Amino acid sequence: GQSLEQPSEVTAVEGAIVQINCTYQTSGFYGLSWYQQHDGGAPTFLSYNALDGLEETGRFSSFLSRSDSYGYLLLQELQMKDSASYFCALLSGGSYIPTFGRGTSLIVHP
Amino acid sequence: GAVVSQHPSRVICKSGTSVKIECRSLDFQATTMFWYRQFPKKSLMLMATSNEGSKATYEQGVEKDKFLINHASLTLSTLTVTSAHPEDSSFYICSARTSGRRVYEQYFGPGTRLTVT
Repeated sequence: GQSLEQPSEVTAVEGAIVQINCTYQTSGFYGLSWYQQHDGGAPTFLSYNALDGLEETGRFSSFLSRSDSYGYLLLQELQMKDSASYFCALLSGGSYIPTFGRGTSLIVHP
Repeated sequence: GAVVSQHPSRVICKSGTSVKIECRSLDFQATTMFWYRQFPKKSLMLMATSNEGSKATYEQGVEKDKFLINHASLTLSTLTVTSAHPEDSSFYICSARTSGRRVYEQYFGPGTRLTVT
């Protein structure tokens, strides 16, 4: 089966940089995605890594190391609106079936 | 683009009745749709995967006779919770994706809050 581990909560101040880690176990790895979900809302896609290295999308970047079964989401220049839950999601298996981590609640303080 | 709608957004029903939730992809064809259940402050639990025109594939522990899924077209999937009980109360979210280059990207609906009294 598949499993993912990510911290349950991270706090940071506005303007800072924060890194949310995700470690995983799987066979048949395809890629690792990241999603953001505000309270009461739908998850929205942030980023995807299939190969090792860093993917940058504006203030958000995502990193993957397949040899370490590890990835992270990096959020820069934090804003209050970034307070949300962040999920890493593992894609594996022949049909790209996603498995979501438990989510990390990010709290941004002024 | 890539908008997914869900209806209803909230529903309250009595124990023993059935509830149907619709998930529509508004501006793209969804070859695959996923149904999730989410408890407060918890992760998304995949219930089933449905491909247009074929039977849904249910995850282990999900009763297929209780949670009926139909994916009749490339833009519509429905989840029917049959004989609902209070323990079925939850937040149900659908997502959709296309085939092709961005197969890894899912587009989520806004969710349906089901309360069974």
